[in-house]
Amino acid sequence: GENVEQHPSTLSVQEGDSAVIKCTYSDSASNYFPWYKQELGKRPQLIIDIRSNVGEKKDQRIAVTLNKTAKHFSLHITETQPEDSAVYFCAASKGWTNAGKSTFGDGTTLTVKP
Amino acid sequence: EAQVTQNPRYLITVTGKKLTVTCSQNMNHEYMSWYRQDPGLGLRQIYYSMNVEVTDKGDVPEGYKVSRKEKRNFPLILESPSPNQTSLYFCASSLRGLTEAFFGQGTRLTVV
Repeated sequence: GENVEQHPSTLSVQEGDSAVIKCTYSDSASNYFPWYKQELGKRPQLIIDIRSNVGEKKDQRIAVTLNKTAKHFSLHITETQPEDSAVYFCAASKGWTNAGKSTFGDGTTLTVKP
Repeated sequence: EAQVTQNPRYLITVTGKKLTVTCSQNMNHEYMSWYRQDPGLGLRQIYYSMNVEVTDKGDVPEGYKVSRKEKRNFPLILESPSPNQTSLYFCASSLRGLTEAFFGQGTRLTVV
């Protein structure tokens, strides 16, 4: 089955700096890679996603890149703000062609220091 | 308002006492799934359903049952809960697969 590894498990940055979180996956058939943000005591919320036919996607300060050959994808947050502090999860699935299992990474706790 | 609603939000129960956590969505989504969240282990999929009467196991299905008799509802059933099922549970729904999934508010279950 699919295996998703996420690094680092914790990340601390200064406000205004950039943050990068990386995930690798094992199943080359996976074709959908979302990122979720979970604030303390809240539900996970989708912040950005990418399909396997796209190499990069950007939404304001957030971007995701995908390298299908190496089977890894990364979340980039620029100009970080204290409200970016949260746990971030990556996931992999075959959602666009074959709805089935989804596998999440273990999460990265991001702390943005003012 | 589009939403996924779980009930109850908090539950403390005793070992072996059957319980059901309900999940309902109002977005006419085909795909629904259940996850458990434990510290350091991320979100692990328990069961998922691709449509009415179609369910399948996720990565950690042992000790759980589900049913999908209606499109909007996807209850999680613990026939004989044990302390190792103490966890935070999330239900999610999406149009297809995991694409743009909406999560419920979560159910914190404690089994003593």
